[in-house]
Amino acid sequence: DIQMTQSPSSLSASVGDRVTITCRASQSISIYLNWYQQKPGKPPKLLIEAVSNLQSGVPSRFSGSGSATDFTLTINSLQPEDFATYYCHQSYITPPVFGQGTKVEI
Amino acid sequence: QVQLQQWGPGLLKPSETLSLTCGVFDGSLSGYFWTWIRQPPGKGLEWIGEVNYSGSTHYNPSLDSHITISIDTSKNHFSLNLTSVTAADTAVYYCARGRYGSGLSPWGQGILVTVSS
Repeated sequence: DIQMTQSPSSLSASVGDRVTITCRASQSISIYLNWYQQKPGKPPKLLIEAVSNLQSGVPSRFSGSGSATDFTLTINSLQPEDFATYYCHQSYITPPVFGQGTKVEI
Repeated sequence: QVQLQQWGPGLLKPSETLSLTCGVFDGSLSGYFWTWIRQPPGKGLEWIGEVNYSGSTHYNPSLDSHITISIDTSKNHFSLNLTSVTAADTAVYYCARGRYGSGLSPWGQGILVTVSS
């Protein structure tokens, strides 16, 4: 199975900060990398699909980049509603695998 | 806009069978993979498996011997059966929609299933 390694596992930030989360795949997954946001007690919400395609309704302060094995989620000017846990997810090969998550805390 | 709604029991005893169903509302089953994911309390997401409109399935190899995922196109829903549950199967179970190579969206509301004697 492909392994997905996210870093950091948690981070502390302030409103207005720029936050970067990385995700590394154990082998190339081309562009099949997705990002989710999860708030407590809620299901994950798809933010970004195929590395950099922002889903409808997702604020433009969220962006994604990368290719092959190394990917990045960036949140520019962190807002109070962005404090959550973020997961990467490879959909290149079965079984799809999620990263272990990055908790963004105040 | 398609919505997924899940139902099923929230409390099981060890060795029992977990059965959950996910209804698909305001959308078609055709053209998508219908997926089950679980999340143990305080932990990350684990893909369980998926089924498509024609009933073709893929399962997580770590759970393969215990899983059956099926689809009922007449009722517009799909189901998960997990046999011989143990405490390690305690988790929030989600259903979600996907396509080949895509992200998963939308998701069901999630159901906490607790396995306890």
